[in-house]
Amino acid sequence: AQTVTQSQPEMSVQEAETVTLSCTYDTSESNYYLFWYKQPPSRQMILVIRQEAYKQQNATENRFSVNFQKAAKSFSLKISDSQLGDTAMYFCAFVSNNNDMRFGAGTRLTVKP
Amino acid sequence: EAGVAQSPRYKIIEKRQSVAFWCNPISGHATLYWYQQILGQGPKLLIQFQNNGVVDDSQLPKDRFSAERLKGVDSTLKIQPAKLEDSAVYLCASSPSDWSEQYFGPGTRLTVT
Repeated sequence: AQTVTQSQPEMSVQEAETVTLSCTYDTSESNYYLFWYKQPPSRQMILVIRQEAYKQQNATENRFSVNFQKAAKSFSLKISDSQLGDTAMYFCAFVSNNNDMRFGAGTRLTVKP
Repeated sequence: EAGVAQSPRYKIIEKRQSVAFWCNPISGHATLYWYQQILGQGPKLLIQFQNNGVVDDSQLPKDRFSAERLKGVDSTLKIQPAKLEDSAVYLCASSPSDWSEQYFGPGTRLTVT
């Protein structure tokens, strides 16, 4: 069974600094997708970034980038130049072509002014 | 492009009462998902539709929960009768295919008293 683990229940960072959120997963599949979703207090889940397992290059979206280590089954999210609007719950998620999407328990990120 | 719509946004009911939630996915998205998100946890899949057929309902408590997606577009999720432990946010999501990124609605917060 696929599992997703986020070992940091809460994190905080000063505005304009960089923070890294950790995620590990367990799967026997060779091809799959990984995602980071952001959920602000409004509850709307917003896709931050996605990574396809067969691509070695780490995905990047503006201030957000990932460090995808397939052998270690690790998928961390780096947020650069943190902004107050980045304050939210962040969920790591995994999906393969014969399984439903699995989410981690989430990391609550607080950006401090 | 309009996003995933859900209603109501909030609902408070007493235990043993019935409740229904509605979801309208993004136009053209064949796959629709209902998730239950208990406070402090990641979303848990309840049911997945591909067009108007059920792909996965293995985690749906079928003795009290039911869902349908008539005509392969809108969907309703019903709980009858509700229990205290059903208090959660119910999220609807849609995607173009069954293993690409999902687009989430704003969710319905259910409180069972």
